[in-house]
Amino acid sequence: QVQLVQSGVEVKKPGASVKISCKASGFDFRNSGLVWVRQAPGQGLEWMGWISAFNGNTQYAEKLQDRVIMTTDTSTNTAYMELRRLRSDDTAVYYCARRREGADYWGQGTLVTVSS
Amino acid sequence: DIPVTQSPSSLSASVGDRVTITCRASQNIRNFLNWYQHRPGKAPRLLIHTASSLQSGVPSRFSGSVSGTDFNLTISNLQREDFATYYCQQSFSTWTFGQGTKVEI
Repeated sequence: QVQLVQSGVEVKKPGASVKISCKASGFDFRNSGLVWVRQAPGQGLEWMGWISAFNGNTQYAEKLQDRVIMTTDTSTNTAYMELRRLRSDDTAVYYCARRREGADYWGQGTLVTVSS
Repeated sequence: DIPVTQSPSSLSASVGDRVTITCRASQNIRNFLNWYQHRPGKAPRLLIHTASSLQSGVPSRFSGSVSGTDFNLTISNLQREDFATYYCQQSFSTWTFGQGTKVEI
């Protein structure tokens, strides 16, 4: 069955970077797209961007494009999302999801807390 | 970005009710509109894709429709497990989510 398993909780200081992994199984990862979505406390869902595992093409939300990097490793069927120069308002649960007509399978979420 | 405006922001309902949530895009997005359910502590769940197609495994009491520029999610015969927050999301261009609708008892 399709599964996306994300890495664990992260606590970071302002200005640091965080890199979250998302390991996929049960589908053709190499020919798939992965999206990243986050939800800050008390807020709605925010699309961060997506990456094609086939050719590495990416598209990022304009507000994040100078701080976010999405990559994939097709040898391990794993997607990564790195966010740099963290701020307190980056505190959120971060999700990866498979991109189809919408996002049809989701990881369990990774809580990132940014605090001094 | 293409903003999508979702309404209402919250609604109160009872088990067995029929509820409708509306999403409006700021420009023509054809049928590139999806609906999600999000329960606290869980990952979002895709309910409807391309405006009106029911995602595999989703109960048939969920339905999506289009009326002019308005996209609607209707839940018929509301069940206890349906009390959650619902989001629309356009995929015509870089994705954007609506603000969410909390369905409460």
